[in-house]
Amino acid sequence: EVQLLESGGGLVQPGGSLRLSCAASGFTFSNYAMGWVRQAPGKGLEWVSGISGSASSTYYADSVKGRFTISRDNSKNTLYLQMNSLRAEDTAVYYCAKDLSVNSWYWFDPWGQGTLVTVSS
Amino acid sequence: EIVLTQSPATLSLSPGERATLSCRASQSISNYLAWYQQKPGQAPSLLIYDASNRATGIPARFSGSGSGTDFTLTISSLEPEDFAVYYCQQRSNWPLTFGGGTKVEIK
Repeated sequence: EVQLLESGGGLVQPGGSLRLSCAASGFTFSNYAMGWVRQAPGKGLEWVSGISGSASSTYYADSVKGRFTISRDNSKNTLYLQMNSLRAEDTAVYYCAKDLSVNSWYWFDPWGQGTLVTVSS
Repeated sequence: EIVLTQSPATLSLSPGERATLSCRASQSISNYLAWYQQKPGQAPSLLIYDASNRATGIPARFSGSGSGTDFTLTISSLEPEDFAVYYCQQRSNWPLTFGGGTKVEIK
């Protein structure tokens, strides 16, 4: 069974940093692209970032480009999201998600349970 | 950036009725569209990918259609567990984008 377990969320002041982790199990992690998607309280879904299985390709939403960095450690089956220069508008539940296919389709299935990031003074 | 516009924002229906949800793209995305379902307090789950392919374990009452700019998710006969929010997502161009969602609520 595929499992994705996010951690690292919490309360941070504006301008601060946070690193999210997503521990994966139940599949060959290095074969699949992964992504981060966030959801502000009461709002819709916003794609944040994606990374290929080999980590050779990374992608970012314009809203986080230059501030967030996605990475992965295939030896530890873990996905990361380093978030710097955080803003109030970054407050959201952050989900990690696995690509449906080894062919990097960037359809997300399944998703983790999410971790809440709150940016506030 | 490709903008996905979902309509209606809210759909009020009774169990057993047919639900028709729309997703319109700001430019052609071929068939590179997926649909997700999100229930309160839960993570989203994949229903349909490549516009019309059901994900593993998804009941046949869910179907997707369309290509280019206009897409439809149809639930043929609503079950109580289908009342939720539905999102479309495109992967034709970076950045990936989601629609704003359609809430299917009990009438």
